[in-house]
Amino acid sequence: EAGVAQSPRYKIIEKRQSVAFWCNPISGHATLYWYQQILGQGPKLLIQFQNNGVVDDSQLPKDRFSAERLKGVDSTLKIQPAKLEDSAVYLCASSQADSNQPQHFGDGTRLSIL
Amino acid sequence: AQSVTQLGSHVSVSEGALVLLRCNYSSSVPPYLFWYVQYPNQGLQLLLKYTSAATLVKGINGFEAEFKKSETSFHLTKPSAHMSDAAEYFCAVSDLSSYKLIFGSGTRLLVRP
Repeated sequence: EAGVAQSPRYKIIEKRQSVAFWCNPISGHATLYWYQQILGQGPKLLIQFQNNGVVDDSQLPKDRFSAERLKGVDSTLKIQPAKLEDSAVYLCASSQADSNQPQHFGDGTRLSIL
Repeated sequence: AQSVTQLGSHVSVSEGALVLLRCNYSSSVPPYLFWYVQYPNQGLQLLLKYTSAATLVKGINGFEAEFKKSETSFHLTKPSAHMSDAAEYFCAVSDLSSYKLIFGSGTRLLVRP
């Protein structure tokens, strides 16, 4: 089966600019996650969707980050305006709607803020 | 609140030696536990998972982990390290209400020839 697809792989922007990331989950996976992985740390959940509804966005900085999952399939994560501390790898993962099922990760987007 | 602690940010072993990566969890209920591996510039790949069945869990690439409730541990082992095992390893606990994963800070495994 095809894995989780993410684009772009790399992005360099200046602070205060905006950026968007795209994720296409594994076909049939109802749950989609966006994680932020800062260098030297484990991934931290930003937002979780179940189909096209938000389950958990408690750690999403809502003043600058937004995410949507239209039609319950693809998802986009946007940052506007970007800050230096947003430099990180943004990972998308998907899973079937069951806590027993593992999450499958994409290769991530590495964001550098100048 | 659930949490995961990985002891040792870096572990170095010789090729052929035993690999032991430590993970301790904090959870008020029996957890689901996972080990993931991350190679450079790649996403995370599932090695194995514990979901309250057998306490000794076997995963891919010769790795296994043992769930010890009394010690709140889920250490990852491999009898004989291979050069290709060099990567970063993450232990994670699943929040059973939302399914989200809570990750440890990771352990980088270095394998010396």
